[in-house]
Amino acid sequence: AQRVTQPEKLLSVFKGAPVELKCNYSYSGSPELFWYVQYSRQRLQLLLRHISRESIKGFTADLNKGETSFHLKKPFAQEEDSAMYYCALSPSILTGGGNKLTFGTGTQLKVEL
Amino acid sequence: EAGVAQSPRYKIIEKRQSVAFWCNPISGHATLYWYQQILGQGPKLLIQFQNNGVVDDSQLPKDRFSAERLKGVDSTLKIQPAKLEDSAVYLCASSLYLGTGRQETQYFGPGTRLLVL
Repeated sequence: AQRVTQPEKLLSVFKGAPVELKCNYSYSGSPELFWYVQYSRQRLQLLLRHISRESIKGFTADLNKGETSFHLKKPFAQEEDSAMYYCALSPSILTGGGNKLTFGTGTQLKVEL
Repeated sequence: EAGVAQSPRYKIIEKRQSVAFWCNPISGHATLYWYQQILGQGPKLLIQFQNNGVVDDSQLPKDRFSAERLKGVDSTLKIQPAKLEDSAVYLCASSLYLGTGRQETQYFGPGTRLLVL
C-alpha cells in the first residue's frame, strides 16, 4: 500500500525566513513524487515533480530514497507563498502507474510579515 | 485554454437524498479523475476513466456511488442515497494521455462542495 505523510498541519514562518515542508512516503517500488499547491480561492495545481528536477517559484524538492522523503524547500519565504501544500505519490510510469495519485493531508503555510 | 469545469459549485441535501455532479475536462484530455476531499484530508481518488472506460474504481463505494463518461468527454458522479459522511469537496481532474501508460500533469477543476444534513 502507498502512503504519504505530512506531519505538520500548519507551518508559520516570517517573510524572508527559510521554509521546509516535510513529506515522507511509503511505497514498495520506485514512485514518482509531486508537490501540489492550493492558493486561497484557487484550484489545486501542480507545483513541481521530482523527475523534472526544476525550481518553481524558488521552491525545490529532492527525493531521498534512503529516508523515503521528498521535503519541499525555499530559502526565503515570500508573502505570496502562503497556501496549502500537498505532497503526492504515484506509482512509476515504468510500472504502468497511470498517474494514480495518493495525497498527504496537506500543510498550511502561513508567511507572516 | 479553458480549464476543467464543474457544476454545481455548492450543494446542500438531506441524508438519503440523491445528488449528481458534472465535469467537463480540458479539450483533448482522454483521462478523467474524480476525487473526494473530506475536510482536513487530502484528495482521495474515487475513479479514473480513460476515454469512456474505467481504469480504476477500487476506492469508489459502489453501493451508493456511480460514475459514467458515456461519450468519453463529460462525466457525471452520482451519490444515491447520500450519507452524512459524504459531506466533502468533489474534485474532477483531467490529463493528457501520452501513450504506453504515461499521463501528463493532472489539471483540477474548482470542485463541488457537498453538505449532507
